Amino acid sequence: GNSVTQMEGPVTLSEEAFLTINCTYTATGYPSLFWYVQYPGEGLQLLLKATKADDKGSNKGFEATYRKETTSFHLEKGSVQVSDSAVYFCALSERVGSQGNLIFGKGTKLSVKP
Amino acid sequence: DAGVIQSPRHEVTEMGQEVTLRCKPISGHDYLFWYRQTMMRGLELLIYFNNNVPIDDSGMPEDRFSAKMPNASFSTLKIQPSEPRDSAVYFCASRRQGTYGYTFGSGTRLTVV
Repeated sequence: GNSVTQMEGPVTLSEEAFLTINCTYTATGYPSLFWYVQYPGEGLQLLLKATKADDKGSNKGFEATYRKETTSFHLEKGSVQVSDSAVYFCALSERVGSQGNLIFGKGTKLSVKP
Repeated sequence: DAGVIQSPRHEVTEMGQEVTLRCKPISGHDYLFWYRQTMMRGLELLIYFNNNVPIDDSGMPEDRFSAKMPNASFSTLKIQPSEPRDSAVYFCASRRQGTYGYTFGSGTRLTVV
């Protein structure tokens, strides 16, 4: 079945450090890939997405590239801020439409220290 | 739009009591999802609806859990009787068919003592 595996946290970084959170997926078709972010006490919010191979999603300084050859969608940011402290979820959706439901990874908690 | 609205934000109840969680999806969204989040198990999909009809409830843990969507603007998740292991944050999310974007509510933190 379809699944998402992301690196276990927590990840603790100093402000302005480089961030990578690894995500790999298993899917039978050609999924769309997503990163969601959950700030403390809130629901999940869409951070970025990529719908086909080699697409790069970006938002708020975060980037992720859809790599079909390695079935990966790693999240990166060049310089993290304290305000980036949150839980990050990688997710996939097989297709839009009636079956475009998301499968989430377990989440990676990021803590950024000043 | 006010987003997906869940109530209550926090609920503390005694074991054996009935608990009802409520969700108002975004107007025009025709899919509604109920998730449970715990430290141990992460984010679990419990059930989802399309046009008010339950499509997949395979994630509902036990018969103690039930969900309804009587109309397009309201859904409930009921636990009867509640148990301490039901303690978790329960999220409701909605989306419009043909789009990728899920909108999540802020969740209900349930504590069963």
